[in-house]
Amino acid sequence: GAVVSQHPSWVICKSGTSVKIECRSLDFQATTMFWYRQFPKQSLMLMATSNEGSKATYEQGVEKDKFLINHASLTLSTLTVTSAHPEDSSFYICSATTTSGSSAGRETQYFGPGTRLLVL
Amino acid sequence: LAKTTQPISMDSYEGQEVNITCSHNNIATNDYITWYQQFPSQGPRFIIQGYKTKVTNEVASLFIPADRKSSTLSLPRVSLSDTAVYYCLVSAGGGGFKTIFGAGTRLFVKA
Repeated sequence: GAVVSQHPSWVICKSGTSVKIECRSLDFQATTMFWYRQFPKQSLMLMATSNEGSKATYEQGVEKDKFLINHASLTLSTLTVTSAHPEDSSFYICSATTTSGSSAGRETQYFGPGTRLLVL
Repeated sequence: LAKTTQPISMDSYEGQEVNITCSHNNIATNDYITWYQQFPSQGPRFIIQGYKTKVTNEVASLFIPADRKSSTLSLPRVSLSDTAVYYCLVSAGGGGFKTIFGAGTRLFVKA
């Protein structure tokens, strides 16, 4: 249980185009999903917190108009990188929270496999 | 949010037990401690979670002293495939909480 998927797993696009990344919780409903970005040899950096049916909460320094997040259902959140540029090239990872799979019975984050974005 | 501190890297040999300690001096009463494993180009994978004392599952044990200001992830008899980055996270849980990742510990298991 507690499986999170992402699509696509990798994408290459031209500078100026927009890219949408989907994050799905496959066997549970997630009221909260998170989006992270990870550069090579670095840790995960939280970009935003996404709650179903409401606007996402962005971390300081993350442009909300550039990284559009939609959490339309309890199993799907999308991240759209608008007008992507080479500096947006990174590894994007989503996570979803559930108590499933946690022996402590606490809400735990389960992560997707990540999406590698390369902007040319 | 409680900040965590871990060793940047550790080396070990196959078959050995590996203990990775994480400091979280500012842990709050309702915070839980969770450890994740991450391989290159993959999302983090949940290993174990605990609140106090000792928790054990099929892959690891988690030791938490009474003051909860640190925790130790214990990996028994590591193999080459355990080479990865290990992250210790502290958070309250509950809907809407957020987690800030520290630098993690890069474990390298040698033959």
